[in-house]
Amino acid sequence: EVQLVESGGGLVQPGGSLRLSCAASGFSFNSYWMDWVRQAPGKGLVWVSRINSDGSSSTYADSVKGRFTISRDNAKNTLYLQMNSLRAEDTALYYCVRYNWNSDYFDYWGQGTLVTVSS
Amino acid sequence: QTVVTQEPSLSVSPGGTVTLTCGLSSGSVSTTNYPSWYQQTPGQAPRTLIHSTNTRSSGVPDRFSGSNLGNQAALTITGAQADDESDYYCVLYMGSGVSVFGGGTKLTVL
Repeated sequence: EVQLVESGGGLVQPGGSLRLSCAASGFSFNSYWMDWVRQAPGKGLVWVSRINSDGSSSTYADSVKGRFTISRDNAKNTLYLQMNSLRAEDTALYYCVRYNWNSDYFDYWGQGTLVTVSS
Repeated sequence: QTVVTQEPSLSVSPGGTVTLTCGLSSGSVSTTNYPSWYQQTPGQAPRTLIHSTNTRSSGVPDRFSGSNLGNQAALTITGAQADDESDYYCVLYMGSGVSVFGGGTKLTVL
């Protein structure tokens, strides 16, 4: 069974940093691209970032480019999102998502970890 | 910046049929955008319904179908049930490793 379990969320002050983790199991993690998708309270889903299977290539939404860094440790079956220079508008539930690059869609979702940026 | 458009809200009667659409603020949706659809109920993670315009994900009832309506992608629910009341999101692949969600459609079954 595919499982994606996020952790690392919490309360952080504006301008601060936070690193999210996503522990993957039930599939060959090193064969899949992975994404982060977020959802602000009461708002819609927003794509954040993507990383390829070996970690050599990544892409970002314009809203986080230059502030967030996606990475992965295939030996630990773990995906990361380093978030710097956090703003109030980054407050959201962050989902770890498995990306099916063959057909360009999200096939498995975690339950999310909540990030709150507030003073 | 290209925006993916969806109806903010729609309603359908139990047993009825409803079509949700997914378009682009400039241009037409094509197969190379690989339209996909996701259902989300309050407090839950999204569930994948449709990918590659019209391929149902495993376990998705056949009352959910995807199609291309000329310049838009579409999700049709035939024989709507009470538990289809949810938010529905489309996603389009924009190339260069970037995907964009639509704003979502809140579907009411009443």
